[in-house]
Amino acid sequence: NAGVTQTPKFQVLKTGQSMTLQCAQDMNHNSMYWYRQDPGMGLRLIYYSASEGTTDKGEVPNGYNVSRLNKREFSLRLESAAPSQTSVYFCASGGQSSLETQYFGPGTRLLVL
Amino acid sequence: AQSVAQPEDQVNVAEGNPLTVKCTYSVSGNPYLFWYVQYPNRGLQFLLKYITGDNLVKGSYGFEAEFNKSQTSFHLKKPSALVSDSALYFCAVRPSGGYNKLIFGAGTRLAVHP
Repeated sequence: NAGVTQTPKFQVLKTGQSMTLQCAQDMNHNSMYWYRQDPGMGLRLIYYSASEGTTDKGEVPNGYNVSRLNKREFSLRLESAAPSQTSVYFCASGGQSSLETQYFGPGTRLLVL
Repeated sequence: AQSVAQPEDQVNVAEGNPLTVKCTYSVSGNPYLFWYVQYPNRGLQFLLKYITGDNLVKGSYGFEAEFNKSQTSFHLKKPSALVSDSALYFCAVRPSGGYNKLIFGAGTRLAVHP
């Protein structure tokens, strides 16, 4: 099992460009999450999906959209990138129960110029 | 507001010495508590969690953590540090009753010196 995979690993964008970050998991988890990691701020939740067909905003959703394509895949889209979105983005998945651990992908490093 | 605090940006320890990485939390109800580790250019790896029961929780790589309800703390410990333990450590809390959302601390960088 690959666990949680993310593409791309690294991306450079110009301000105003758009892109989609891809995430897939093979652990049959119902829940999936997108976080961003910034120095000194830990991880902050952008959006999450409790199950296929549902999505909800997290702590910092502005400037992002998500799509839960199916149970395995959860994508994050930046419609018009801004320098403030320069960050490392992590996708995670977890079971339905609130007791279950979240498992993280390797991350996507995004630089917006 | 619900929050997690990791009061130390960095902890320095000599190899072979015991280590402690501190975490305190502020949430309503009974929290579920987690520790994750991040090695350079890698994603977060799960170390251990406290849900209920024994206050001392044992996890991966010889790490353990002690839940203290009265002090609202969940400090990470290891009896004998290794150079390979050098990494970024995150404490996280999942408030009870809330959905599967984790609140993360800012992280503590552990440096173990030979």
